[in-house]
Amino acid sequence: RKEVEQDPGPFNVPEGATVAFNCTYSNSASQSFFWYRQDCRKEPKLLMSVYSSGNEDGRFTAQLNRASQYISLLIRDSKLSDSATYLCVVNIRGSARQLTFGSGTQLTVLP
Amino acid sequence: DAGVTQSPTHLIKTRGQHVTLRCSPISGHKSVSWYQQVLGQGPQFIFQYYEKEERGRGNFPDRFSARQFPNYSSELNVNALLLGDSALYLCASSLGGFDMKTFFGQGTRLTVV
Repeated sequence: RKEVEQDPGPFNVPEGATVAFNCTYSNSASQSFFWYRQDCRKEPKLLMSVYSSGNEDGRFTAQLNRASQYISLLIRDSKLSDSATYLCVVNIRGSARQLTFGSGTQLTVLP
Repeated sequence: DAGVTQSPTHLIKTRGQHVTLRCSPISGHKSVSWYQQVLGQGPQFIFQYYEKEERGRGNFPDRFSARQFPNYSSELNVNALLLGDSALYLCASSLGGFDMKTFFGQGTRLTVV
């Protein structure tokens, strides 16, 4: 079983749509959580950290459910520029700064 | 401000050769990590260095080694290259301490033929 699992997609949505990505993690010692986005053949870029209370950054909302070991990302009013692969990432307590990545969910926003 | 810089950006090597990849972290960042990303997968952790000491090692063979220099730059070395080592190699830097935010360089795309 992978430590971080994501639906690989692809998700093809029209501009303006709301899209949600889900992620589960298996290690209960996971302590820090992030969403990264990665454009084709580019490096991953930090989109947002995820906090237990949930957090929002503009059109993006992230939620964490520690009891279910579940992380989500909601994108509202999708833009063409949101097309990318979204990576769910966790850091496990005691593993220094090692980040464990999911395989990513591919999103294409269509005009 | 410069972000994380890596060199070279692309590299083609032959099986059995060795390769050295280089990374300069964001100014002020003392932690450098290396990741390998093969097509269709998320990055996989290889090494982490902090203040020139190895702080973490992923599940990679001993053919992979790294070091960090006094100026916090880092090198990743891979010996006896295999076809399966073809991947995007990413360097990441972070401040250290309680700040977990990690920033990646553009990567070195290594092709082994």
